[in-house]
Amino acid sequence: EAGVAQSPRYKIIEKRQSVAFWCNPISGHATLYWYQQILGQGPKLLIQFQNNGVVDDSQLPKDRFSAERLKGVDSTLKIQPAKLEDSAVYLCASSSGDTKLEAFFGQGTRLTVV
Amino acid sequence: KQEVTQIPAALSVPEGENLVLNCSFTDSAIYNLQWFRQDPGKGLTSLLLIQSSQREQTSGRLNASLDKSSGRSTLYIAASQPGDSATYLCAVPTGANNLFFGTGTRLTVIP
Repeated sequence: EAGVAQSPRYKIIEKRQSVAFWCNPISGHATLYWYQQILGQGPKLLIQFQNNGVVDDSQLPKDRFSAERLKGVDSTLKIQPAKLEDSAVYLCASSSGDTKLEAFFGQGTRLTVV
Repeated sequence: KQEVTQIPAALSVPEGENLVLNCSFTDSAIYNLQWFRQDPGKGLTSLLLIQSSQREQTSGRLNASLDKSSGRSTLYIAASQPGDSATYLCAVPTGANNLFFGTGTRLTVIP
């Protein structure tokens, strides 16, 4: 079974530029998450989708971050414009949504804003 | 509001030692608790998931226990190896079925 795929693996941009990350979850997983992990900290949820609907985006900085999950499969996370403090690893995860609630993570995208 | 704490923040042990990593959480109304491993620059790998009805789970040299009433979980690693060096994170589901993470324990196993 293929895991969660993310691209790109690394990205370096200047502040005020825009950037987009892509995620392909495990086939059949209805729930998709985007997490932000700042160096030395645990991952923090940005947004959670159930199929193509948003379940929780309470911690998403909506003035600069946006995410979509068209057709309930792939998802993209965009930052526009980026700030220095957005430098972090962006992790995508998926879950089947069954009672076990086990989440599987991709390799992440390391973003550096200079 | 759920808070998850992991102690110690960093741990260094000689190869072959048995060790225990600790995770505590403030809201005991959890469905399960999941332990992850994270290698530098990589994503998270799920190690063990303990359902709320279970007391422990084992996988190879790893054993995780869960005491909901006291808000604690431990990850026991037997006969540690240099390849076990990584950051270990515990996470619990929130009411919206997403994961709330601790800050992790960075483990170094010295050959």
